[in-house]
Amino acid sequence: DTAVSQTPKYLVTQMGNDKSIKCEQNLGHDTMYWYKQDSKKFLKIMFSYNNKELIINETVPNRFSPKSPDKAHLNLHINSLELGDSAVYFCASSHRDRPREAFFGQGTRLTVV
Amino acid sequence: LAKTTQPISMDSYEGQEVNITCSHNNIATNDYITWYQQFPSQGPRFIIQGYKTKVTNEVASLFIPADRKSSTLSLPRVSLSDTAVYYCLVGPRWGLNKFYFGSGTKLNVKP
Repeated sequence: DTAVSQTPKYLVTQMGNDKSIKCEQNLGHDTMYWYKQDSKKFLKIMFSYNNKELIINETVPNRFSPKSPDKAHLNLHINSLELGDSAVYFCASSHRDRPREAFFGQGTRLTVV
Repeated sequence: LAKTTQPISMDSYEGQEVNITCSHNNIATNDYITWYQQFPSQGPRFIIQGYKTKVTNEVASLFIPADRKSSTLSLPRVSLSDTAVYYCLVGPRWGLNKFYFGSGTKLNVKP
């Protein structure tokens, strides 16, 4: 009964490949996010979706494309992967009445070789 | 969004009370203060949030002075399992739902 689940947990791929990370939440939240945590452990927001609508896009390269098929899912597709994309990617969700109380997934460690 | 400053790291021993202070000199009138905890290889976890004075829950207490330019997260009687990074976030309760995490404070609890 995991609240926010991401798949896969680990992802190793070669430069130039395209990959996707899936995220699902079963909390009934209406806002979902993608965060990137780099090797220095800084967490930076990438995207935010509210009721399937994109509301935040933080100057992320357009090789990154989020897709929200419904309120419970927010997937992240990455084209033409680069070495600098190696990081841990976290999905999160929150309820509109408590936007600062976000629930985070376990993270996806992406390694580009 | 208000910039926050926290100590990079802190050491403590099991059973002690730990206080982590966060400075946010340019906090805005409608800003709230939120603290998250992150264990290694896990996503951040919401701990506590407040606007002024004191907030307490089953995990921690949050002390906010009248000028709100700083806040202190208090963890009572820490255990080894409290070893984690603690982040202080300051921003409006409503709005664009942006969460800006700084570098956090690495708390190391020793036996």
